[in-house]
Amino acid sequence: EAAVTQSPRSKVAVTGGKVTLSCHQTNNHDYMYWYRQDTGHGLRLIHYSYVADSTEKGDIPDGYKASRPSQENFSLILELASLSQTAVYFCASRTGGNYAEQFFGPGTRLTVL
Amino acid sequence: GDKVKQSPSALSLQEGTNSALRCNFSIAATTVQWFLQNPRGSLMNLFYLVPGTKENGRLKSAFDSKESYSTLHIRDAQLEDSGTYFCAALTGGYKVVFGSGTRLLVSP
Repeated sequence: EAAVTQSPRSKVAVTGGKVTLSCHQTNNHDYMYWYRQDTGHGLRLIHYSYVADSTEKGDIPDGYKASRPSQENFSLILELASLSQTAVYFCASRTGGNYAEQFFGPGTRLTVL
Repeated sequence: GDKVKQSPSALSLQEGTNSALRCNFSIAATTVQWFLQNPRGSLMNLFYLVPGTKENGRLKSAFDSKESYSTLHIRDAQLEDSGTYFCAALTGGYKVVFGSGTRLLVSP
């Protein structure tokens, strides 16, 4: 089974500060994704990547940047954290193609004060 | 409107009873995944489906791409089945669209 890890597992940040969330996968998957989940809601796609050194915008990219320096690593960057970005963030990976299962990391709980 | 609509949004079951959750798609889904988010927040993979059915213990899932829906049947519900169930549709390449979830509470 795919192994996707995230760090940190939780973080408290101040408004206006910079936050970097990291994701690492060990199964040689092409695609990696960042989602956010707000309390009581489903997951929404922020950014994704299908190859190293390239990222694409998802459905809610505003206020977020992404970086894919290698196939294994995918980071989500909040340059100026805001209160509205308090949420749980999930990373996921899958192989390419139309038929591929997605595997999720454990999530990072971010609180912006 | 919602591209992936889950129903019901919430459900209470007594231990030992059966139920069915449903996802309707207004997008062309090629595959479907079902997840359980436990009370601690972790997402667990339950099923990954191309059109057809799969069964695992007390859980059974079906995906009909022509009629654009998927179901998850829970038989003999147990306390540990409590949590939020999500379906997600993969559409043409990279994009995975999630439903809003069904919150299930199983009581003694």
